[in-house]
Amino acid sequence: ETGVTQTPRHLVMGMTNKKSLKCEQHLGHNAMYWYKQSAKKPLELMFVYSLEERVENNSVPSRFSPECPNSSHLFLHLHTLQPEDSALYLCASSQNSITRATNEKLFFGSGTQLSVL
Amino acid sequence: QQQVKQSPQSLIVQKGGISIINCAYENTAFDYFPWYQQFPGKGPALLIAIRPDVSEKKEGRFTISFNKSAKQFSLHIMDSQPGDSATYFCAASSFRVGSARQLTFGSGTQLTVLP
Repeated sequence: ETGVTQTPRHLVMGMTNKKSLKCEQHLGHNAMYWYKQSAKKPLELMFVYSLEERVENNSVPSRFSPECPNSSHLFLHLHTLQPEDSALYLCASSQNSITRATNEKLFFGSGTQLSVL
Repeated sequence: QQQVKQSPQSLIVQKGGISIINCAYENTAFDYFPWYQQFPGKGPALLIAIRPDVSEKKEGRFTISFNKSAKQFSLHIMDSQPGDSATYFCAASSFRVGSARQLTFGSGTQLTVLP
């Protein structure tokens, strides 16, 4: 158990559906992330929230909408997805450092396996 | 410049053998190089990490070798065991003042250790 819980574990949705992925961390961290993992590709960083403020959005399509209501919870709202969006979506958390010397360790959840039909 | 290139894509090793996975990077601002291990159905977990001020770091059977001038680093797994069978990701990041570190990951290596 990593202290990062994601629900649901599996999700099948049609292209016109709206669904949400949920992530909760019990580690007291101040940064949370959404990553996309596709087969044989590097993990792709989608969104970063640091101290509940979104600090980066790496050109992710608007059909993905993140929400971070507090430092322990992170959501990814999905609408009108495409089949190529099928992937494992991973949530992670870390404790932000203010000095270069600190090594930030990412704690990942087990992911939501998303299939878009 | 943000890319981290990882090889091989897959690796099969006999039990007791040495597994070696290589990574290369371009961005000289990277100052933290972790390796993550991922088992099926689980998220990646930090295995070992190194900073560029040292050339080697060892933790148990796992060793990172780092070559700053060549901008390459590698993971060596000594006495490989079937339980080491997993996907391994190298990563790199640079420090950003006032912001969370953002890891750039390699594409992963699927390691299979045969009994």
